[in-house]
Amino acid sequence: AQSVTQLDSQVPVFEEAPVELRCNYSSSVSVYLFWYVQYPNQGLQLLLKYLSGSTLVKGINGFEAEFNKSQTSFHLRKPSVHISDTAEYFCAVSTSDTGRRALTFGSGTRLQVQP
Amino acid sequence: GAVVSQHPSRVICKSGTSVKIECRSLDFQATTMFWYRQFPKQSLMLMATSNEGSKATYEQGVEKDKFLINHASLTLSTLTVTSAHPEDSSFYICSAVGVQGPKKLFFGSGTQLSVL
Repeated sequence: AQSVTQLDSQVPVFEEAPVELRCNYSSSVSVYLFWYVQYPNQGLQLLLKYLSGSTLVKGINGFEAEFNKSQTSFHLRKPSVHISDTAEYFCAVSTSDTGRRALTFGSGTRLQVQP
Repeated sequence: GAVVSQHPSRVICKSGTSVKIECRSLDFQATTMFWYRQFPKQSLMLMATSNEGSKATYEQGVEKDKFLINHASLTLSTLTVTSAHPEDSSFYICSAVGVQGPKKLFFGSGTQLSVL
């Protein structure tokens, strides 16, 4: 079985500052990694995903993440955040390349961008 | 791009009634659909996995007789919460995946269920 750990439940940051949201995973097999954003009372929006290839993945809204196999990490970064980035962020992992296995989610990180 | 439509977005019902939530893949065939439940300020917990034309596979601790899942076609899955109680109040989210696997995996916008 796989698991996902998001160590930071909340990350306060000032507007235009850089931010890193940490994600570590555990799995005995190859994984596919995802970051989702959830705004209040809404569903999930995919920020980016790593399936194969380059370990540096660029997503929407200026976010990027780097897959580090040796450290089993997939940290999310943004060089300069905006107030509108305030939301809940979920890291998720899948071990199936057919998609027939559900994603396993981390506990989430609340990003709070302050003016 | 591909969209998964989930309906209704919000429902309030009386205790003891049943509520049906629909999840549709609008422009692709979803070979598998997943149903998740999310309590306030918590993560998503998988409830069940459904493959078109076969019975859903429920996660441990999820009552299959209470949460009825039907995946009758490649574009539609439904979750029916039977005899709902206040403790069933939660945010329910579906996701659908196409034959391309994780390259084609999308989430619905969620349904907020409030049982009075």
